Amino acid sequence: TQLLEQSPQFLSIQEGENLTVYCNSSSVFSSLQWYRQEPGEGPVLLVTVVTGGEVKKLKRLTFQFGDARKDSSLHITAAQPGDTGLYLCAGPTSGTYKYIFGTGTRLKVLA
Amino acid sequence: DADVTQTPRNRITKTGKRIMLECSQTKGHDRMYWYRQDPGLGLRLIYYSFDVKDINKGEISDGYSVSRQAQAKFSLSLESAIPNQTALYFCATSDWGLAENTGELFFGEGSRLTVL
Repeated sequence: TQLLEQSPQFLSIQEGENLTVYCNSSSVFSSLQWYRQEPGEGPVLLVTVVTGGEVKKLKRLTFQFGDARKDSSLHITAAQPGDTGLYLCAGPTSGTYKYIFGTGTRLKVLA
Repeated sequence: DADVTQTPRNRITKTGKRIMLECSQTKGHDRMYWYRQDPGLGLRLIYYSFDVKDINKGEISDGYSVSRQAQAKFSLSLESAIPNQTALYFCATSDWGLAENTGELFFGEGSRLTVL
């Protein structure tokens, strides 16, 4: 069974600090996605990474896919209160279009 | 109007009752999913469907059933609700993506179910 584990589970930081969230698996994924979910809403896609070693940037957010395609990280530079939310990684199980999700990282950025 | 609409948004029911959560989408996607969200557990897949004639079990299908009435409609039923089915339920659709297995999931706003 393919699993995605995220760390840390909770993170509370001050505005302006940097942080990294990790998504790890013992299985290879053909792609990984990162979603952000705000209270009362469904998750919204931030990025999809496909190639091992790939790095994608979205303003202050940097996403990296591990060389072996078993892990991914999300780095936020100079966090802002608007970054507060639940961050979820997700990926398709091998040979299917069935997406599984990680356990999530709940981020709170204090002003 | 939202692209993926779930009804009801909130429901309180009693143990043993039958409950149906409905989902409709205007995105024209073939693939639809039902997920359950519990604190600390992320989202877990209950059922998924890749077209009207295709229904598949996910990680936690026991106690649930689904019906794909049309391309745009996918409903989730709890035949006899129990308290540990109290959770936030999400319907999602996805496109095929530019490359294999890169489709984006589009979620509804969720249906919060409480079973007493």
